[in-house]
Amino acid sequence: EDQVTQSPEALRLQEGESSSLNCSYTVSGLRGLFWYRQDPGKGPEFLFTLYSAGEEKEKERLKATLTKKESFLHITAPKPEDSATYLCAVPMDTGRRALTFGSGTRLQVQP
Amino acid sequence: SQTIHQWPATLVQPVGSPLSLECTVEGTSNPNLYWYRQAAGRGLQLLFYSVGIGQISSEVPQNLSASRPQDRQFILSSKKLLLRDSGFYLCAWSRRGLNQPQHFGDGTRLSIL
Repeated sequence: EDQVTQSPEALRLQEGESSSLNCSYTVSGLRGLFWYRQDPGKGPEFLFTLYSAGEEKEKERLKATLTKKESFLHITAPKPEDSATYLCAVPMDTGRRALTFGSGTRLQVQP
Repeated sequence: SQTIHQWPATLVQPVGSPLSLECTVEGTSNPNLYWYRQAAGRGLQLLFYSVGIGQISSEVPQNLSASRPQDRQFILSSKKLLLRDSGFYLCAWSRRGLNQPQHFGDGTRLSIL
């Protein structure tokens, strides 16, 4: 059964302090990995899709990378507006066209 | 561009009352549609998904049902709500085909009293 584990559960950074969030997964065959950002009381906002090991995607201060066992979301020089919960997800293994989500990392960036 | 709408944003219902949450998508045709529930501090749990009108797949046996009466309309229902049905309900859409990213609405916060 597909599993997605995110760490840490919560992370507090000072503004400008770079760090990385981890998403590890166990799937029978990787068919993609998705990163989302979720603000309190809102639905997840799609950020990136990664399909193969070695692939990287960037958006502003965020960069997502993918290996055969895990993905990292690197946050460079974060700002308070980057505070949110970051979720990763992988497609389910039975062709059900749905996603298995991790529990997320709650990021707080203090000014 | 594509947009997804969910309503209402918040809902307070007594135990035993019926439920109807609606979701519509604009700007795309033949989307896959999904209903998720998110408990506080936990991940998203897939409830139902649909690949076409009238085609519903249920992931978790429970007190809820879903219907897709039109291509871009997805409805989550219950005949009698239970306390455990409280939560944050999210609708999502994706393009046809496997391994597509999903795009979410802003959710409905449901409280059962």
